[in-house]
Amino acid sequence: EVQLVESGGGLVQPGGSLRLSCAASGFTFSSYAMSWVRQAPGKGLEWVSGISGSAGTTYYADSVKGRFTISRDISKNTLYLQMNSLRAEDTAVYYCAKGVSSGSYYAGEYWGQGTLVTVSS
Amino acid sequence: QAGLTQPPSVSKDLRQTATLTCTGNSNNVGNQGAAWLQQHQGHPPKLLSYRNNNRPSGISERFSASRSGNTASLTITGLQPEDEADYYCSAWDSSLSAVVFGGGTKVTVL
Repeated sequence: EVQLVESGGGLVQPGGSLRLSCAASGFTFSSYAMSWVRQAPGKGLEWVSGISGSAGTTYYADSVKGRFTISRDISKNTLYLQMNSLRAEDTAVYYCAKGVSSGSYYAGEYWGQGTLVTVSS
Repeated sequence: QAGLTQPPSVSKDLRQTATLTCTGNSNNVGNQGAAWLQQHQGHPPKLLSYRNNNRPSGISERFSASRSGNTASLTITGLQPEDEADYYCSAWDSSLSAVVFGGGTKVTVL
């Protein structure tokens, strides 16, 4: 059974940093692209970042480019999102999602339950 | 980043058919097709279809997707109360090198 479990969310001040983790199980982690997708309270889905199965390729939304870094540790079956210079508009539930293939980022086949990030003073 | 365009809401009677649309351009929907996701309030999204009409295992045949040019469509036949949810489309945009989402369509079953 595929499972994705996010952690690391919480309350952080503007300008602060946070690292999200997504522990994956039930599939060959290195064979699938992974993405982070966020959803601000009462709003729609917004793709944040994606990483290829081999971790050789990463992509970012313009809204987070230069501030967020996606990475994956294949030995730990864990996906990360390092978030720096956080802003109020980054407040959202952050989901990790498994792609349908090693290079597919737009179709999240499985999703975690999400972790809430609140940026506020 | 420019997103995909979806109507905000669709309302249909029980057991009727609803067709949702998602309009993009030749760099996203028109290029590699779209995926469709369903999200119930307070829950993570669930993938219904990808690459136009590939359904993951366990997804009802009442959900079918198609594409014509730069517009993708999701048809839900025999609407059931549990189909009340938000529906999002997404696509890879080759010019942005990013995923774009639609704003979502809220489906109400009357």
